[in-house]
Amino acid sequence: DAGVIQSPRHEVTEMGQEVTLRCKPISGHDYLFWYRQTMMRGLELLIYFNNNVPIDDSGMPEDRFSAKMPNASFSTLKIQPSEPRDSAVYFCASSAQLSNQPQHFGDGTRLSIL
Amino acid sequence: AQTVTQSQPEMSVQDAETVTLSCTYDTSENNYYLFWYKQPPSRQMILVIRQEAYKQQNATENRFSVNFQKAAKSFSLKISDSQLGDTAMYFCAYGSGNTGKLIFGQGTTLQVKP
Repeated sequence: DAGVIQSPRHEVTEMGQEVTLRCKPISGHDYLFWYRQTMMRGLELLIYFNNNVPIDDSGMPEDRFSAKMPNASFSTLKIQPSEPRDSAVYFCASSAQLSNQPQHFGDGTRLSIL
Repeated sequence: AQTVTQSQPEMSVQDAETVTLSCTYDTSENNYYLFWYKQPPSRQMILVIRQEAYKQQNATENRFSVNFQKAAKSFSLKISDSQLGDTAMYFCAYGSGNTGKLIFGQGTTLQVKP
């Protein structure tokens, strides 16, 4: 079975541009998570969905960030407008259950905002 | 709030030898899970091992085993017969049984030397 698929793998863009990161979870997984990894703050949970519905977005840093899950096989994380401090690796993960099943991570998107 | 602490930023070990990575956590919850994830230079987040807090028996997975001390809130990872491919950053993670959120430690960089 295919794992979590993220695209693009790398993204370089200029400050002020809109950035869209994409994720396809593992089929049958009801939970989808977006994380951000930086040297300073480590791995942080941004938002997670259950059955396509956002459950907890308390980790989203500010209104410039938004996430959607229009169906069970696709989610996006959007940053508009982007800023240099948004540069990080963004991971998507999915799991079959909320807590007693491990989260499976995608390969991440390395985002660089110039 | 739950916290996870990995007090060893960097460690090294000779191949074929054994190494132990430390992790402590703080929580007031009774229902939780603990995980170790490995992040090699390729950036993937790979699940190494998981432990249910309600189980007294320590989890093992081939060369990987944990020493789970619930009262001390300690969850160390032992890697036996270390291999060059074990070189990676290792993250300890706490999974809340109530919210499902994963909270990660800052990571330990492990270098296996030939």
